[in-house]
This record gives sequence, C-alpha cells and structure tokens, in this order.
Amino acid sequence: GQNIDQPTEMTATEGAIVQINCTYQTSGFNGLFWYQQHAGEAPTFLSYNVLDGLEEKGRFSSFLSRSKGYSYLLLKELQMKDSASYLCAVRFWANNDMRFGAGTRLTVKP
Amino acid sequence: DADVTQTPRNRITKTGKRIMLECSQTKGHDRMYWYRQDPGLGLQLIYYSFDVKDINKGEISDGYSVSRQAQAKFSLSLESAIPNQTALYFCATSDLGGEAFFGQGTRLTVV
Repeated sequence: GQNIDQPTEMTATEGAIVQINCTYQTSGFNGLFWYQQHAGEAPTFLSYNVLDGLEEKGRFSSFLSRSKGYSYLLLKELQMKDSASYLCAVRFWANNDMRFGAGTRLTVKP
Repeated sequence: DADVTQTPRNRITKTGKRIMLECSQTKGHDRMYWYRQDPGLGLQLIYYSFDVKDINKGEISDGYSVSRQAQAKFSLSLESAIPNQTALYFCATSDLGGEAFFGQGTRLTVV
C-alpha cells in the first residue's frame, strides 16, 4: 500500500515551536506536500519537498529524507490561529495522483 | 471568484436518490480530483482525471462515478446514495507535479 502516517493530535503553547512528523512508503516517491486545514474549510498549501533537505517559508519549514521515508513540518513562534489540522500528502510515480495522511490536529494554547 | 468552485455547498438527500456534485475551475489545470473527508479523518481519493479522456479510480471509488465534461469541469455522481456516504467532499485541481488547489467543499448528508 501507500501508507502515510502522522500523529493524530498534538498540543503546543503559543510562542513555542512544534514539529509534526510524517512517514510514508518510499517506493515510487515523487514529492511530498504539506497542507493546513481549518475545521470545515478547504486545505491550503503550505510547502513542497521533492529533494532531501529543509525548505523554509517564514514561520513554517519542511524537511524531507527520501531514504528514510520521513518528513516533518516545523512551525515556529506559534500563534493561536495556527490551531488547525496539518495534512501530509505524497505523490507516487505509480499513479501520479496525490494521497493524504489522516492529518494531525494541532491545538495551540495560551 | 474562486479558482475552484463546487456546487452545491450543502445538500441533504434521501437514501436511494441519485445526486451529482459539480466542480469547475479557472486555473487551466489538466488534473482534477475528487476527495472525500469524514469527520476527524484525512482525505480519501475517490476518482481523478488527468485530461478529458483520462479517468482513474482512486482508493474508494465503489458507489461513485465521475464525468469530465471539459478541461474545466469534473462532476461526481452518487447513483444511489446511502447514509455512509455522508461526508464532506472536495474537488481539487493541479498541474503536472504541482500542489493541489481545493474547492470550498460540499457537505453531503444522506438520510
């Protein structure tokens, strides 16, 4: 299969840093995406990794290790509005479609 | 106007009824997708299409069908709706290798 695994829930404090992990089957990997989704709303794109290493975009960074089938999303200087679900999605060569993990629900507390 | 538009936004229908969810896009993308999301869960791929003549089944296609009427239009049908098809449905588009852009979702309730 094309299992994509993320923790179900995480809690962090406003102003802190949080890391959300994602693991996936490495066979046929063709790119990894992170999306943010507020309850009842559409997912919105955060970041994309296809090569190993760190991609930084303001407060958000994403890391990829292709050999380990591992990625993480790093959120710095957490704000209350960052409370949302974070979805890891992988594109595989076999179908070239986009498959999603179940998402990690992040709660930011004051 | 939104780049990806879904209609209707909300729908309540009875078991056994046929229902169509519509999606149109102005992004000019070739690739279009239909996903289903159940409460507290991620997105499951129902069908996807890479161009007008290309339709592919996703993870959970049973009970659903699709039609790609034009590059910009991709509709999802439930031939005979059942209560466990109650969910939030998202249409998305992308170009080759790029990120997906999502519509605002259709909340479907089957009673």
